[in-house]
Amino acid sequence: DAKTTQPTSMDCAEGRAANLPCNHSTISGNEYVYWYRQIHSQGPQYIIHGLKNNETNEMASLIITEDRKSSTLILPHATLRDTAVYYCIVRVPRNQAGTALIFGKGTTLSVSS
Amino acid sequence: GAGVSQSPSNKVTEKGKDVELRCDPISGHTALYWYRQSLGQGLEFLIYFQGNSAPDKSGLPSDRFSAERTGGSVSTLTIQRTQQEDSAVYLCASSHNNAGLKFGPGTRLTVL
Repeated sequence: DAKTTQPTSMDCAEGRAANLPCNHSTISGNEYVYWYRQIHSQGPQYIIHGLKNNETNEMASLIITEDRKSSTLILPHATLRDTAVYYCIVRVPRNQAGTALIFGKGTTLSVSS
Repeated sequence: GAGVSQSPSNKVTEKGKDVELRCDPISGHTALYWYRQSLGQGLEFLIYFQGNSAPDKSGLPSDRFSAERTGGSVSTLTIQRTQQEDSAVYLCASSHNNAGLKFGPGTRLTVL
């Protein structure tokens, strides 16, 4: 699977948009971009995924650059409860044997009032 | 519907004992993962099952660790001769096709 690079930590004011970047310059054409987060003392939670088009759901928006070498997860109105470690992962989605989902160190987002 | 369930939620054992951790994935999910997370650390991949394919065991830290998935559903992670460094939260997750992983609540293992 392609390797991803994320900033170690970011701060955001409550109510403002949180924009979390991820670099995946070696992504292959059939690899999707997935985002997860882990709130302290809880299990990881799926947020969103996409291939090349921008995606939006009730939790967040995912913006993928045209060359697919980077993406940004956007939390439009961050709340204190969004404080968590955010993981960006790229992988082939068809669950072929051997394509395990490997989590990196992620970005620790701290939302403050 | 029901999510991923794991049992027990907490397990305290003595060094050298064997333990079995159970995961019930979401019905119909073909992929099942085991991860562990030590205190203050990131997620460590252990093993991955996909349908009838041979499991990806590349993350198992030693031969004391093994896992089975019977009938493509329930999975058991077995740790033999437990050591103190095995203490962690063991997380199971399942998914179907290209959907995101759904994680269970985890089993907190403490080896004394």
